[in-house]
This record gives sequence, C-alpha cells and structure tokens, in this order.
Amino acid sequence: AQSVTQLGSHVSVSEGALVLLRCNYSSSVPPYLFWYVQYPNQGLQLLLKYTTGATLVKGINGFEAEFKKSETSFHLTKPSAHMSDAAEYFCAVSTNTGNQFYFGTGTSLTVIP
Amino acid sequence: DAMVIQNPRYQVTQFGKPVTLSCSQTLNHNVMYWYQQKSSQAPKLLFHYYDKDFNNEADTPDNFQSRRPNTSFCFLDIRSPGLGDAAMYLCATSRGVGNSPLHFGNGTRLTVT
Repeated sequence: AQSVTQLGSHVSVSEGALVLLRCNYSSSVPPYLFWYVQYPNQGLQLLLKYTTGATLVKGINGFEAEFKKSETSFHLTKPSAHMSDAAEYFCAVSTNTGNQFYFGTGTSLTVIP
Repeated sequence: DAMVIQNPRYQVTQFGKPVTLSCSQTLNHNVMYWYQQKSSQAPKLLFHYYDKDFNNEADTPDNFQSRRPNTSFCFLDIRSPGLGDAAMYLCATSRGVGNSPLHFGNGTRLTVT
C-alpha cells in the first residue's frame, strides 16, 4: 500500500525567504511522486513530478524537489518565496501497478510581506 | 489548449434534491476521476473510470453515482444531497499509467441548503 505524510499543515515564511515543504512517502514498490498546488476555489495544478532518473526535479514557478529513497522523502523547496506562492500544497504518490493516487493532507503556505 | 472543464463552477441545491455535476475533457485520457474535497482537507477519491470500467471506492456512499457516456464526458450524480455533501467536487483525468499525472478541472463548489 502507498501513503503520504506531509509534516506541518501550516507553514509561514517571509517574502524572499526559503520555502521548505516536507513530504514523506510509504510505498512497497517504486513510487511516482508529485507535488500539486491549489489556489482558493480552483483545482489542483501540477508543480512537478518524479518518475525515474534524475532525483532532483525542477518544476514551475521556481520550485524543485529532491527524491531521497533512503529517507523516503520528496521535500519541496523554493529559494525565495513570493507573495503569489501563498496557496495549499499537496504531495501525492502513485505506482505503476494501478491508477490510484494517494494524497497527503496538504500544507497551507503563508507568505509574509 | 487541452483541458478538463467542469460545469457549473458553483451549484446550489436543496437538501434531498438530486443534482448532477458534469466534467468534460479534451485530453483524450483513458481515466477520469471524481474527488470530493472539504475545507482544508485533501481530495478524497470517490470513484474512477478506466475507459468504461467503473471503479468505486469502498467507502463512497451509495448516494453518489457516476456515468461516463463517452471518452470525453463524465457525470457525478448525487441522488439525495445532505448537508454533509457540501464540498468542492474535483474532476481529474490521466493517461492511465502510473507516471502520468492527474490533470484537474477547476472544480464545482456545491452548497446544500
């Protein structure tokens, strides 16, 4: 079975500061990992994904994430927060054995001017 | 642009009055999903179709039904909405392989009065 844990339901950072959103996964088979962003009253938008190959993946809006198998982690980072980054962020895992996606409970990011 | 479109964006229904939410896609994806998302929570999968094959989550109430008349369209029917069914309903699609991400519509916000 697969699952995702997002540590920290709320994260606040100052504008221009580093953003770090944590995601740990559990999977009995090689996972595919995703980060999504959700703005108020909108659907989820894909930020980035890890499938195979390079463990550091870059996404839209300056975000990146690193897949660390030994730590079962896929943390999302951005060097410098912008006010427009304020949103809800979801980590998700899927595998090659089905069409199921398992979401974490989300992290609400607040950016302080 | 290829996309997932949900109509309407906002739906108000009365307690017990059947309601149908619609979703269409121009991505030609095999899989279509319906998620329920309540405030500050992760999306919860209700069911999905792989082509015409219907897959119901074990804990999805019988009050929720779905139809997929063709590749492009999928409907969510709530037979007798209760106050607890007020939520954002998200439609998503994928190509149906594990490394293919979900593509979400903008959701339908359902209010039950």
